Amino acid sequence: GENVEQHPSTLSVQEGDSAVIKCTYSDSASNYFPWYKQELGKRPQLIIDIRSNVGEKKDQRIAVTLNKTAKHFSLHITETQPEDSAVYFCAATFTGFQKLVFGTGTRLLVSP
Amino acid sequence: EADIYQTPRYLVIGTGKKITLECSQTMGHDKMYWYQQDPGMELHLIHYSYGVNSTEKGDLSSESTVSRIRTEHFPLTLESARPSHTSQYLCASSRMYRAEEKLFFGSGTQLSVL
Repeated sequence: GENVEQHPSTLSVQEGDSAVIKCTYSDSASNYFPWYKQELGKRPQLIIDIRSNVGEKKDQRIAVTLNKTAKHFSLHITETQPEDSAVYFCAATFTGFQKLVFGTGTRLLVSP
Repeated sequence: EADIYQTPRYLVIGTGKKITLECSQTMGHDKMYWYQQDPGMELHLIHYSYGVNSTEKGDLSSESTVSRIRTEHFPLTLESARPSHTSQYLCASSRMYRAEEKLFFGSGTQLSVL
């Protein structure tokens, strides 16, 4: 069945460092990969996404890369700030089932 | 303002009670979802709907039921609440744009069953 694995489950960095979160997916036909950020006590919100015909996408300090051959994609956050502390979820669209499947989440803690 | 609304925000009830969690969206989205989430943990899909009169069970077995009589409304009902149902319930709706499904989440209902 459809599956998205996400690592690590927790990540602690110092302010100013970079953070990388990795996800792998099982369906080679998947064509859309969003990332959601959920701050403590808040709702998940879309922060960046990438389509399968693009290898990399950037938006200020965040970027997402996609390796279709290996079926994995990653979220990169540079110059981390305390407000980046949150749980991040990756997801992939499984076209056969027409639904989005989420990874298990990564708790990122940025220490001042 | 176009948004997705959930009520109540918090609910504390006794075992055996019947409850309905409300979810409404004013964005005209066809697809809607219910997720169960313990604080900061994995999102578990329990129900979804492609549109009016369409409901499907998700990946996580749930004793709840849903209905979709109107596009904007997707309530979730527990016939007999138990302490194991204690969790946060998140409703979401989605917009498809060029095969990209973007989910918009409500603020959630924190349910505690005593």
